[in-house]
Amino acid sequence: DAKTTQPPSMDCAEGRAANLPCNHSTISGNEYVYWYRQIHSQGPQYIIHGLKNNETNEMASLIITEDRKSSTLILPHATLRDTAVYYCIVRVSGSARQLTFGSGTQLTVLP
Amino acid sequence: NAGVMQNPRHLVRRRGQEARLRCSPMKGHSHVYWYRQLPEEGLKFMVYLQKENIIDESGMPKERFSAEFPKEGPSILRIQQVVRGDSAAYFCASSIGMQETQYFGPGTRLLVL
Repeated sequence: DAKTTQPPSMDCAEGRAANLPCNHSTISGNEYVYWYRQIHSQGPQYIIHGLKNNETNEMASLIITEDRKSSTLILPHATLRDTAVYYCIVRVSGSARQLTFGSGTQLTVLP
Repeated sequence: NAGVMQNPRHLVRRRGQEARLRCSPMKGHSHVYWYRQLPEEGLKFMVYLQKENIIDESGMPKERFSAEFPKEGPSILRIQQVVRGDSAAYFCASSIGMQETQYFGPGTRLLVL
């Protein structure tokens, strides 16, 4: 699976959009981009995933660049409860492989 | 629809004892993954099981650790003769199929005294 690079930490003001970047320059055509978050040592929570089109659900939006070498997770109106470590993971479609978690981005939402 | 259930949520064992961690996948899910998170570290894959079969155990320590997912009942992660280094959070995830999204349980925090 492709390696991902994320900034170690970010701050965001409550109520503003949080934009979390992820670089995956070695991604191949059959690899999906997944986002999970872990709130204070709870179990990881699935957020969203995509292949090449932008995706949106009730939690977030995922913007994938046309060359697929990077993506951005957008939390449109961050709240204090969104403070967590956010993990960007690439995973081969149709693979039974496990998820490989990197260091992620510690997002702190400030009041 | 209940999520992934894990029990116990906290487990304390003395060195040399056995630890049994249970995971009930989401309804309709037949694929189970176990991950371990050591203090101040990221999650690391341990083992992937389907009903009655171990599919990938490449992340399991070679000794003292075993896992099963019987036809009936929860998946069990068993750690024999625990040592202090086994203290960690153990997370279980489940999916409908091997290609599908994995959903995680709340974890079991194991403390070895």
